[in-house]
Amino acid sequence: QVQLQQWGAGLRKPSATLSLTCAVYGGSFSEYYWTWIRQPPGKGLEWIGEINHSGFTNYNPSLESRVTMSVDMSKNQFSLKLRSVTAADTAVYYCARGVIPLHYYYMDVWGKGTTVTVSS
Amino acid sequence: DIQMTQSPSSLSASVGDRVTITCRASQSISRYLNWYQHKSGEAPKILIYAASSLHSGVPSRFSGSGSGTDFTLTISSLQPEDFATYYCQQTYSTPRTFGQGTKVEIK
Repeated sequence: QVQLQQWGAGLRKPSATLSLTCAVYGGSFSEYYWTWIRQPPGKGLEWIGEINHSGFTNYNPSLESRVTMSVDMSKNQFSLKLRSVTAADTAVYYCARGVIPLHYYYMDVWGKGTTVTVSS
Repeated sequence: DIQMTQSPSSLSASVGDRVTITCRASQSISRYLNWYQHKSGEAPKILIYAASSLHSGVPSRFSGSGSGTDFTLTISSLQPEDFATYYCQQTYSTPRTFGQGTKVEIK
């Protein structure tokens, strides 16, 4: 059974960098897209972006100037960095596995979520 | 970006009711449409992918239909564990945008 375990600092000051990591247990790392999604308080889900094992990335244009995703295949981990955070970046951040059966992409395994608060 | 619009934003229903949620895309997305269930404090769960394919382990009371720009999620007989927020997501192109969500509450 594949599991995603995520961690990172829960409190960031404005202008700091948010850093989160997600580890993949119990499954292949190289066959999937590894994704980050967030949910601000009282709002819906927002797709941040994705990365595959080769480091190929797709980012949400609304965040692209501040986002970097990376993978560490030796540890079966992938990471998110979001620079210059503001209060608007306060959210629950989820990592997830993207699968593409017959070209139809969906996210089938999710981490439990990390609450990140941006406040001075 | 492709905009996804769900309706209604919320609904109240009783156990046993048939519930229908709609999702409209701002342009044709063929059948590149997923539905997720999200309960407060938990991670979202995939229900339907490719507009109508039921993910493994999801009860058969959930079904999806549609193609192009208009899609529907139907719960044939609402169960107590189905009270949650439901999101559609298009995966035709990036960014893989979500609808704003439909909250299903107990009447």
